[in-house]
Amino acid sequence: DIQLTQSPSFLSASVGDRVTITCRASQGISSYLAWYQQKPGKAPKLLIYAASTLQSGVPSRFSGSGSGTEFTLTISSLQPEDFATYYCQQLNSYPQLTFGGGTKVEIK
Amino acid sequence: EVQLVESGGGLVQPGGSLRLSCAASGFTVSSNYMSWVRQAPGKGLEWVSVIYSGGTTYYADSVKGRFTISRDKSKNTLYLQMNSLRAKDTAMYYCAREGVVVRGIFDYWGQGTVVTVSS
Repeated sequence: DIQLTQSPSFLSASVGDRVTITCRASQGISSYLAWYQQKPGKAPKLLIYAASTLQSGVPSRFSGSGSGTEFTLTISSLQPEDFATYYCQQLNSYPQLTFGGGTKVEIK
Repeated sequence: EVQLVESGGGLVQPGGSLRLSCAASGFTVSSNYMSWVRQAPGKGLEWVSVIYSGGTTYYADSVKGRFTISRDKSKNTLYLQMNSLRAKDTAMYYCAREGVVVRGIFDYWGQGTVVTVSS
């Protein structure tokens, strides 16, 4: 099974900060990676797929990069509505899909 | 507008059974790849099962042999039959639609239904 490790697991930041979250895969997964945002009590929302493709309707302050085993999600200027938990997900072993453990972004 | 509405969750004893439903609107369930994803309290996301438009099904090892995914074309509804339930199956269960162009990503999710397995 492909394991995804996110870091940090918790992040405290201020509005306007640049935030970077890392997702490392236990083996190479090419660009078969997606990112989701989940707010408390809500379902996850797709942000990015194919490592760097922004889902329709997602603000351009979100960006993704990476390939192989290391990936990053960057929020260029954190907004109040961005405080949430973020998950990466690998598609390389489709249909067996796995998610990272999550990164919670909280207000400093 | 695409909408997914889950139901059927509740409290069940270990070893018991439960059937979850996911009613869809705005698209046809049987023409899409549909999955169940769960989230234990305070934990991350875990993919559970998928049914392809052609009817092929796959399961996570943790539920194989105990859970069955299915759909009803006339009701445009997805199901998850859960048998031999264990405490570790306690979670919020979401149904989700896979992307049409890119498989394996989930572009629409329901609001979830809570399953609690406890005596």
